[in-house]
Amino acid sequence: GEDVEQSLFLSVREGDSSVINCTYTDSSSTYLYWYKQEPGAGLQLLTYIFSNMDMKQDQRLTVLLNKKDKHLSLRIADTQTGDSAIYFCAERYGQNFVFGPGTRLSVLP
Amino acid sequence: NAGVTQTPKFQVLKTGQSMTLQCAQDMNHEYMSWYRQDPGMGLRLIHYSVGAGITDQGEVPNGYNVSRSTTEDFPLRLLSAAPSQTSVYFCASSYRFGDQYFGPGTRLTVT
Repeated sequence: GEDVEQSLFLSVREGDSSVINCTYTDSSSTYLYWYKQEPGAGLQLLTYIFSNMDMKQDQRLTVLLNKKDKHLSLRIADTQTGDSAIYFCAERYGQNFVFGPGTRLSVLP
Repeated sequence: NAGVTQTPKFQVLKTGQSMTLQCAQDMNHEYMSWYRQDPGMGLRLIHYSVGAGITDQGEVPNGYNVSRSTTEDFPLRLLSAAPSQTSVYFCASSYRFGDQYFGPGTRLTVT
């Protein structure tokens, strides 16, 4: 079946850039998503990219999509302590979504 | 709009008890779904619905029932709770092929 993989942990220093990576298996995915989950909260949609795009930029967030390698990344510029959270990659599979395990981003002062 | 609401926020059950987790949305979304979140496993789809009167199974449906009598509500029933069902449960809704919006979650512990 469909599978989405992410590394589980990432630590960066405040002010540096963070890059969170994701690989997926379904080449027919139409949209790929990044969600953010803060402690004790639900998932918040951060951004998404349509499968015919290579890159999407939205303020401090840059999404890169390599369709050949089925690799998606989220870059957060000038990472702040408020960016500490779990970040989930997800692909749309038909009407449903398949989520990765989440990457816990820790921002060190 | 309240968005997607879930009740209760926390629940402790004994093995064998039954209960219903409530989910409601006020955005007139056709699509609603239930996920469970376990450490290191992301979100796994339990059941989903593409409209009132229509439900289908997701990846991990065993031990759970759902119904969708209205567009707004999508309750999840645990028939006989087991410790393996200890998890955080999220409800989500969207237009049929739109972005998903999540509720705040219900943290369930089964002892």
